[in-house]
Amino acid sequence: DIQMTQSPSSLSASVGDRVTITCRASQNIATYLNWYQQIPGKAPKLLISVASSLQSGVPSRFSGSGSGTDFTLTISSLQPEDFATYYCQQSYSMPLAFGQGTKVEIK
Amino acid sequence: QVQLLQSGAEVKKPGSSVKVSCQASGDTFSRYTINWVRQAPGQGLEWMGRIIPTPGIGHYAQQFQGRVTMTADKATSTAYMDLINLRSEDTAVYYCARSRSDAFDVWGQGTMVAVSS
Repeated sequence: DIQMTQSPSSLSASVGDRVTITCRASQNIATYLNWYQQIPGKAPKLLISVASSLQSGVPSRFSGSGSGTDFTLTISSLQPEDFATYYCQQSYSMPLAFGQGTKVEIK
Repeated sequence: QVQLLQSGAEVKKPGSSVKVSCQASGDTFSRYTINWVRQAPGQGLEWMGRIIPTPGIGHYAQQFQGRVTMTADKATSTAYMDLINLRSEDTAVYYCARSRSDAFDVWGQGTMVAVSS
């Protein structure tokens, strides 16, 4: 089974900051990597699929990159509504798996 | 626009079973895959498995094999997740989610299942 590891587990940032979250797969997953945002009490929301494809309606301050085993989610200028937990998920092979999450908190 | 509407919260005793439903609207149900993902209190997301309504084949994560059954009723556009032999560790919010190319693009609102004696 493929294991997904995110770093950091949490971070504190201010509005306007550039934020980077990393996700590492235990084996090569090409670009089969998706990113989700979850606000407390709500269902997750798909932000980015196949490593870098922004979903319709997602602000352009979100971007994804990477391939193989190392991936990055970047928020170019953090906004108040971006304080949430972010998860990566591999869609390369079964069983599908998520990273443990990165909580973005207000500094 | 596809929407997934899940059944309401449940409180169950250890050793019992629970069946959560997920009704789809707004698109052709049989054309996509429904996944089940759960989230224990304060924890991350855990993929449980998926059902492809046509032909009705389920794939389950190893840790749930033998305890979970996922089904789909095309006539009512409803997917079901049946979990038996419940234990306290099964206390969680259970989500259904549509997947396309195994990315979960539409989610239900979640169903809280509490297991307590």
